[in-house]
Amino acid sequence: QQQVKQSPQSLIVQKGGISIINCAYENTAFDYFPWYQQFPGKGPALLIAIRPDVSEKKEGRFTISFNKSAKQFSLHIMDSQPGDSATYFCAAGPQRGSNDYKLSFGAGTTVTVRA
Amino acid sequence: DTGVSQNPRHKITKRGQNVTFRCDPISEHNRLYWYRQTLGQGPEFLTYFQNEAQLEKSRLLSDRFSAERPKGSFSTLEIQRTEQGDSAMYLCASSSGVNYGYTFGSGTRLTVV
Repeated sequence: QQQVKQSPQSLIVQKGGISIINCAYENTAFDYFPWYQQFPGKGPALLIAIRPDVSEKKEGRFTISFNKSAKQFSLHIMDSQPGDSATYFCAAGPQRGSNDYKLSFGAGTTVTVRA
Repeated sequence: DTGVSQNPRHKITKRGQNVTFRCDPISEHNRLYWYRQTLGQGPEFLTYFQNEAQLEKSRLLSDRFSAERPKGSFSTLEIQRTEQGDSAMYLCASSSGVNYGYTFGSGTRLTVV
């Protein structure tokens, strides 16, 4: 069963526009919510992450918004650039208070930025 | 240290053959993870090690799959009697005890023909 649901599957945005990707999770024990960026032929690379005690985190053009009550979080890419064209994965885990350190990943969103 | 290293990058094998992949994690990271990624999907958890101990295995990891991490350093993932359904990207990641963030390698792409 998929513990993290991600949408949309793909999106196209014009250069300078805003890309928004959404994720929802079920397990309220999850304690860490990262976003990964993956280019073709490469492994995923950590982009930005947030913990549930914070509602928003910004790093450069990338912002995570976190809604604990709705069990949802999203990635906003501001001023999108052609170099941002990649697949983005949300993830969640580990479970608070456990020795379970694995992350559960969403299915991914392919972002295409048109020049 | 240049990150997580995986070898080989690509492997083509005939159905029924055995294959072995290697992962060298970041040296100070005590946790090592194996994930499998198929086209259009996110990484799926296979197994993970804390130092040399294998702490969890996914139900995805059939009896044909085995992983080791001798001395808590590099790790190997072996698939015996490969099937076409094993074709995927096999990703290795590592993390340290105080940080949940993973560093992934570039993966090994397995094609079973």
